[in-house]
Amino acid sequence: QSALTQPPSASGSPGQSVTISCSGTSSDVGGYNFVSWYQQHPGKAPKLIISEVSKRPSGVPDRFSGSISGNTASLTVSGLQAEDEADYYCSSYAGYKNFWVFGGGTKLTVL
Amino acid sequence: EVQLVESGGGLVKPGGSLRLSCAASQLTFTNAWLSWVRQVPGKGLEWVGLIRNRADGGTADYAAPVRGRFSISRDDSTNTLYLQMSSLKTEDTAVYYCTHYGSNSVPFDSWGQGTLVTVSS
Repeated sequence: QSALTQPPSASGSPGQSVTISCSGTSSDVGGYNFVSWYQQHPGKAPKLIISEVSKRPSGVPDRFSGSISGNTASLTVSGLQAEDEADYYCSSYAGYKNFWVFGGGTKLTVL
Repeated sequence: EVQLVESGGGLVKPGGSLRLSCAASQLTFTNAWLSWVRQVPGKGLEWVGLIRNRADGGTADYAAPVRGRFSISRDDSTNTLYLQMSSLKTEDTAVYYCTHYGSNSVPFDSWGQGTLVTVSS
């Protein structure tokens, strides 16, 4: 069982917006502003798309945005495109003993 | 763009050992913190451990499931990261990814393609 809880699936039609949640505790998500999100296409390595809750690395479209409220972080994908269909994982720093924890992943389907 | 290429995966029996390598390029290796992340096929990601650069002590930290069995090391002269795995268990079966660890703020910002380790009798 993963340390962070994500819904196993999410879906939306092209052009719509979808939000994926990532629930943790005050020892990880709620305790640090070090939540990151990763996109993984089938057979590929994960790719960092959001760091520090809401910052996009260079080259990541601004359709991807992140936010946090209490112990739950969220990733929103706006203006869905076919290429956004992938697995998405959240991760959070969890202190010097546990370091990094991940969510179980959410499969995003573009209908 | 940072390039990370893992090698050394394969089939090993329970209780056995295996060493993974990760060749890095397009980065200042001596300054880099590096990490291993694994993924059971079809499942989620799991942090395995990280190693700091020499200036920050060169020490490594590990996730609880592998602590005492896995060891991370680096060779700054050849830009290579290693993961020595011993006392392997069937639950260690996974794709192992080498990653560049930018910082606590920007972790795992570059990934290798992964190498599959299968622990089975």
